[in-house]
Amino acid sequence: GAGVSQSPRYKVAKRGQDVALRCDPISGHVSLFWYQQALGQGPEFLTYFQNEAQLDKSGLPSDRFFAERPEGSVSTLKIQRTQQEDSAVYLCASSPAPGRRDEQFFGPGTRLTVL
Amino acid sequence: AQSVTQLDSQVPVFEEAPVELRCNYSSSVSVYLFWYVQYPNQGLQLLLKYLSGSTLVKGINGFEAEFNKSQTSFHLRKPSVHISDTAEYFCAVFNFNKFYFGSGTKLNVKP
Repeated sequence: GAGVSQSPRYKVAKRGQDVALRCDPISGHVSLFWYQQALGQGPEFLTYFQNEAQLDKSGLPSDRFFAERPEGSVSTLKIQRTQQEDSAVYLCASSPAPGRRDEQFFGPGTRLTVL
Repeated sequence: AQSVTQLDSQVPVFEEAPVELRCNYSSSVSVYLFWYVQYPNQGLQLLLKYLSGSTLVKGINGFEAEFNKSQTSFHLRKPSVHISDTAEYFCAVFNFNKFYFGSGTKLNVKP
């Protein structure tokens, strides 16, 4: 069956450019999460959606980071005016029910390189 | 605040040898504990998890982990590794509705 998919898989941006990263969760999954995984580190939580509502954005590192999930399915993570420190793998995960946020299925990630 | 410490960044081991990947966590409340595996250019795959009950948890691919509350540890073990186990392994705590991951341990299985 289809898992979580992310696109693009690789993105190279020049410093100062805006980027948009897409996540397609497993069909019917209510909850969606974004993580940032810097080189040599574990993933770090960025933000969480339940359906279209963004319930937690405490991990977003700055106001240049913005996420949305307008119809409660596909989500987009947007980074404005990218900086070199934004270079990382961005992981998306989805879970089937609000009460089971610990049951997360991860996508393959988007590797962002900012030059 | 939650923190997860994986004491070894890299663990080299020969094929068919046993392995233990260490994980310690800090938390003042009860937590759920997880181990994930990440193969190159892939997302995280759940190996096993401890939610409650028996402190010895068995997962996929022959891995197991033991929850030790007094030592706040959740070490991952496998009695005999295969080349295909070469990957990066992440220990994680789930609390306050989010995951907190360790920095990962790269397991390198040599023939």
